[in-house]
Amino acid sequence: GAVVSQHPSRVICKSGTSVKIECRSLDFQATTMFWYRQFPKQSLMLMATSNEGSKATYEQGVEKDKFLINHASLTLSTLTVTSAHPEDSSFYICSAILAVSTDTQYFGPGTRLTVL
Amino acid sequence: QKEVEQNSGPLSVPEGAIASLNCTYSDRGSQSFFWYRQYSGKSPELIMFIYSNGDKEDGRFTAQLNKASQYVSLLIRDSQPSDSATYLCAVPSSNTGKLIFGQGTTLQVKP
Repeated sequence: GAVVSQHPSRVICKSGTSVKIECRSLDFQATTMFWYRQFPKQSLMLMATSNEGSKATYEQGVEKDKFLINHASLTLSTLTVTSAHPEDSSFYICSAILAVSTDTQYFGPGTRLTVL
Repeated sequence: QKEVEQNSGPLSVPEGAIASLNCTYSDRGSQSFFWYRQYSGKSPELIMFIYSNGDKEDGRFTAQLNKASQYVSLLIRDSQPSDSATYLCAVPSSNTGKLIFGQGTTLQVKP
């Protein structure tokens, strides 16, 4: 149980385009999902907390208009990187918690974004 | 002081040895503690979590927690080359509940 998937696993795009990344909980309902970004040789940095049916909560320094998060159902959250630039190239990872009462996070396989 | 601190390593051990990974945290209110393994280019994978002081064993892995000293460790017995990865210690903030990650310790198990 507790399987989280992400799509796509890898994407290459041109500067100025938008990219959508999907995060799905496959065998459970996730009221809360998290989006992280990881640069090479660095640890994970939380970008935002995504709650089903409500607006995402963004961490300080993360532009909410650039990183659009939609948590439309209990099994799907999407992150859209708008007007991507080379500095947005990174490893984007989502996670989900199994239930509201727990804090164990299960991670998706990640999406490698490269902006040319 | 960082909220969650780990020695970045690399920690190198021979195959079959015990690898000991350490983590200290600053939030005295933290109640749960997690160890994740991350292979290069992959996302973190949950190995163990621990809530209570003492040891918790799962196969070759043992997590040890000492809340008074604010440290949590992970022991890997009979280390295998496939254990070579970065091990991330993570502690939820008692204020926000958000998971705070350490920088990770890179483990190298040499055949």
